[in-house]
Amino acid sequence: DADVTQTPRNRITKTGKRIMLECSQTKGHDRMYWYRQDPGLGLRLIYYSFDVKDINKGEISDGYSVSRQAQAKFSLSLESAIPNQTALYFCATSESGTADYGYTFGSGTRLTVV
Amino acid sequence: AQSVTQLGSHVSVSEGALVLLRCNYSSSVPPYLFWYVQYPNQGLQLLLKYTSAATLVKGINGFEAEFKKSETSFHLTKPSAHMSDAAEYFCAVSVNRDDKIIFGKGTRLHILP
Repeated sequence: DADVTQTPRNRITKTGKRIMLECSQTKGHDRMYWYRQDPGLGLRLIYYSFDVKDINKGEISDGYSVSRQAQAKFSLSLESAIPNQTALYFCATSESGTADYGYTFGSGTRLTVV
Repeated sequence: AQSVTQLGSHVSVSEGALVLLRCNYSSSVPPYLFWYVQYPNQGLQLLLKYTSAATLVKGINGFEAEFKKSETSFHLTKPSAHMSDAAEYFCAVSVNRDDKIIFGKGTRLHILP
């Protein structure tokens, strides 16, 4: 099994629908992150969590919410999906002392909002 | 605020030629710098990192990068390109050991036969 698992891998949803992207990890890392990737824009941080009780907004949090259900699980929700949220979404994890180890990434969720 | 700028969204090199992907950083404090690689339909994986030890950093798959403070650069090189190197490469920065990582916009590397 992968260290960081994202579900679903692909999803097509309609404008206005609520959707949840899930991330689980077996690394035992405290820190978890959600990024979105758009062509030509790189990865942009949506939300991050340094432990179960610590949730922080990233640079593009509008229209998104998150839930850290346990150390191993970090979910991203789109309350009312819109077409410009069509993107590739990545979950990542790290230990404290992030710079020493970098991130471990999941394989991504490709979301299409029609 | 810290940031990285990757010069060239697409770079093409011939198989066997030198690979050079450019990255310049902006940081008010000594940064931690990273290169990540993304192969098609996969997540990102760490290629190498600079954490204030040696300025020349060696990574996986024959890649290396040199930290040059005077030029605020952290360019990625490989002496001889292989077809399997075709991927997207991301430069990234963190301003302290415990902070989140900020990514550049990426450079897609194409290898010509």
